[in-house]
Amino acid sequence: DAKTTQPPSMDCAEGRAANLPCNHSTISGNEYVYWYRQIHSQGPQYIIHGLKNNETNEMASLIITEDRKSSTLILPHATLRDTAVYYCIVRPFMEYGNKLVFGAGTILRVKS
Amino acid sequence: DAGITQSPRYKITETGRQVTLMCHQTWSHSYMFWYRQDLGHGLRLIYYSAAADITDKGEVPDGYVVSRSKTENFPLTLESATRSQTSVYFCASLGQGVSYTFGSGTRLTVV
Repeated sequence: DAKTTQPPSMDCAEGRAANLPCNHSTISGNEYVYWYRQIHSQGPQYIIHGLKNNETNEMASLIITEDRKSSTLILPHATLRDTAVYYCIVRPFMEYGNKLVFGAGTILRVKS
Repeated sequence: DAGITQSPRYKITETGRQVTLMCHQTWSHSYMFWYRQDLGHGLRLIYYSAAADITDKGEVPDGYVVSRSKTENFPLTLESATRSQTSVYFCASLGQGVSYTFGSGTRLTVV
């Protein structure tokens, strides 16, 4: 079952903010929103997660709408090294098995 | 070095051969996972383990065997390799925190 919907690809100019949307209209009250990215030929890398409040760390910001049905990952100053596939995943914080299920993600291309 | 390491990095094997992919983590994380990644399918979970001697099937377990005799190791064995198992395999671990840590992957080619 697809729990999230992301655009297949996006382009962003180097130095500009990259805003990656994610729809999760069926999210449950105990489910968090996680973002991972995968740079070519590497393993996925954790970026950020949140429940309902906006979150920020050294890599990115996560904005979750009040109804929690969608969110946006923001890379404030995209660089060429941010070119990657970005995955939005919703899941309970601690569930049996702790399985992380990946969808197709968004291919972000940062261009100079 | 601390972290999660996979070996070998690249492997070519023949159809019907048994091959084992190794995964080792230095944190004593409870959970470990094996994923495969193919064009057109993305990352799919093969097997996972909640602790030593506890393993469970994921989305695509057929043709694979895992074991977890020690917390730090989670080997994945292809008992009789097939061409459809040509893929990139990623191992991951999860401790008390929220983030999975993935290895660098093993690129397996079955000829």
